[in-house]
Amino acid sequence: GQNIDQPTEMTATEGAIVQINCTYQTSGFNGLFWYQQHAGEAPTFLSYNVLDGLEEKGRFSSFLSRSKGYSYLLLKELQMKDSASYLCAVMDSNYQLIWGAGTKLIIKP
Amino acid sequence: DAGVIQSPRHEVTEMGQEVTLRCKPISGHDYLFWYRQTMMRGLELLIYFNNNVPIDDSGMPEDRFSAKMPNASFSTLKIQPSEPRDSAVYFCASSPAGAEPVNEQFFGPGTRLTVL
Repeated sequence: GQNIDQPTEMTATEGAIVQINCTYQTSGFNGLFWYQQHAGEAPTFLSYNVLDGLEEKGRFSSFLSRSKGYSYLLLKELQMKDSASYLCAVMDSNYQLIWGAGTKLIIKP
Repeated sequence: DAGVIQSPRHEVTEMGQEVTLRCKPISGHDYLFWYRQTMMRGLELLIYFNNNVPIDDSGMPEDRFSAKMPNASFSTLKIQPSEPRDSAVYFCASSPAGAEPVNEQFFGPGTRLTVL
């Protein structure tokens, strides 16, 4: 079957760095997405990886290892507004997105 | 662009009633997706359309759910009859074809449905 695993909840301190991991097992692979979802709002796109390596976009970076079925989202210089759920999603061989359950990130002052 | 538009934003109804959720995708987007999100099951894909044609409805929970896309700018998700377990947030998302990154989806604000 298809499976996306990510931690349910993480806590970090304002100004610090946090890494949110995602492992996946899917039928085929056409890319991995990270979305951010604030409470009561819609998911919004953060990043897309299809090749191995690190993609950096400001304070956020996303890493992919296809051989390991592994990705992480790295958030630097954490701000209170980064408190949200972070969803990992993999596009399978049918170009359908398989969604993880999300990681709720709590930022403390 | 106004983004994906959904209506209503909130819906409270009684068990057995018909519920219709509406979505207007971003102009020019070829794909439209309907999702349901609950605390228990997270984000679930219900159905998606490509150029107004339903491609995969395997996520539709049962025959009480139906979706249509009569034209490129409008889609509906109907639940008849509704049940309390249908209570969730329903998101509509659209995606352009051939854009980079592949199939980035743009979500609407969602409809929070409560069935009493």
